Amino acid sequence: KAGVTQTPRYLIKTRGQQVTLSCSPISGHRSVSWYQQTPGQGLQFLFEYFSETQRNKGNFPGRFSGRQFSNSRSEMNVSTLELGDSALYLCASSPDAGRLMNTEAFFGQGTRLTVV
Amino acid sequence: QKEVEQDPGPLSVPEGAIVSLNCTYSNSAFQYFMWYRQYSRKGPELLMYTYSSGNKEDGRFTAQVDKSSKYISLFIRDSQPSDSATYLCAMRLSGGYNKLIFGAGTRLAVHP
Repeated sequence: KAGVTQTPRYLIKTRGQQVTLSCSPISGHRSVSWYQQTPGQGLQFLFEYFSETQRNKGNFPGRFSGRQFSNSRSEMNVSTLELGDSALYLCASSPDAGRLMNTEAFFGQGTRLTVV
Repeated sequence: QKEVEQDPGPLSVPEGAIVSLNCTYSNSAFQYFMWYRQYSRKGPELLMYTYSSGNKEDGRFTAQVDKSSKYISLFIRDSQPSDSATYLCAMRLSGGYNKLIFGAGTRLAVHP
């Protein structure tokens, strides 16, 4: 079974630009979560999508947004990029059979975003 | 104070040693506990997944959860140089969807 696929692997953007990152979950997985990883803050939860709806959100500004498509693929968008947005952005996929059935989260390789 | 505390290390051990990695947490509502391994420039890889208190063993890895002390551990037996990586603990609330709270990660180096 193929794992979680994130594209692109590396990105360099200029301050003020916007960027879109893509995540394809494991086949059959319906939940997709996004995380930001930096040396200073570690891994921090951005948001989670399930059945095309955002059902959980972390403490990030509105410049960070996402969406999920009917095939469970997800995109994350960051507008008006700041230098501090430089990070590894990770996507995690979970089967999530239902709210009361917690399941494991499997991560992709991440997209390394550098803002200059 | 962070919800999950984890000593960042680095931890350096000789090959064959038993490694003990730990996390403490403050939210008693956490019910699901995970350990991930992350190699440099790679995504985290799930090692162990446990629910509530108790022990779980998988090969050379043993995970322990002590909810009364709000303390979780990961033991690695017969450590190998290939175990050199950053180990992250993560936790989740019951019914809390899939939001994981991570520790800072402990860098482990196993030298031959």
